[in-house]
Amino acid sequence: AQSVTQLDSHVSVSEGTPVLLRCNYSSSYSPSLFWYVQHPNKGLQLLLKYTSAATLVKGINGFEAEFKKSETSFHLTKPSAHMSDAAEYFCVVESYNTDKLIFGTGTRLQVFP
Amino acid sequence: EAEVAQSPRYKITEKSQAVAFWCDPISGHATLYWYRQILGQGPELLVQFQDESVVDDSQLPKDRFSAERLKGVDSTLKIQPAELGDSAMYLCASSPRTITARNIQYFGAGTRLSVL
Repeated sequence: AQSVTQLDSHVSVSEGTPVLLRCNYSSSYSPSLFWYVQHPNKGLQLLLKYTSAATLVKGINGFEAEFKKSETSFHLTKPSAHMSDAAEYFCVVESYNTDKLIFGTGTRLQVFP
Repeated sequence: EAEVAQSPRYKITEKSQAVAFWCDPISGHATLYWYRQILGQGPELLVQFQDESVVDDSQLPKDRFSAERLKGVDSTLKIQPAELGDSAMYLCASSPRTITARNIQYFGAGTRLSVL
């Protein structure tokens, strides 16, 4: 069965410093992986998607993620945090041969001025 | 930009009462999903529709939950009777039928349910 593990429940950074949100996946095949962001009182928004093309995936708002098969990781990064990046971030894997998305438990990103 | 519409945004009810949530997906999206998100956790799929047909309701507590999408457009999720443990955010999502975008889901803002 596919699953994802988000290694940090909370991450705090200062504005202008790099962001790293960690995600490990478990899958017996080459998975489709996603990062979604959830701002307070808003729906989840897709940041980026990996589907076995380029291992470095660029998303919206300056975020990117790198698929590393050897480490079974799909970490989300951004070079410079902005106050508006404060939100909950979910790493997601698609269930094999279905449309079903399996969400991690989320990482809350705080950005301090 | 088209959005998934959900109502109400907030619902407070007493246990044993009935509640209903409504979702209108993005126009033309064939697939509709209902998720439950308990505070501090990621969303979990309750039910998935393809047009008007249920394709996955394995995680739907069928003794109290029901979902319908009669005309293959908007959908209603009902809980009867509500229990304290049903307090959560209920999210609706939709996705298009196209091959390239098939597994991209677009989410509504959700309905936050509090059962007292």
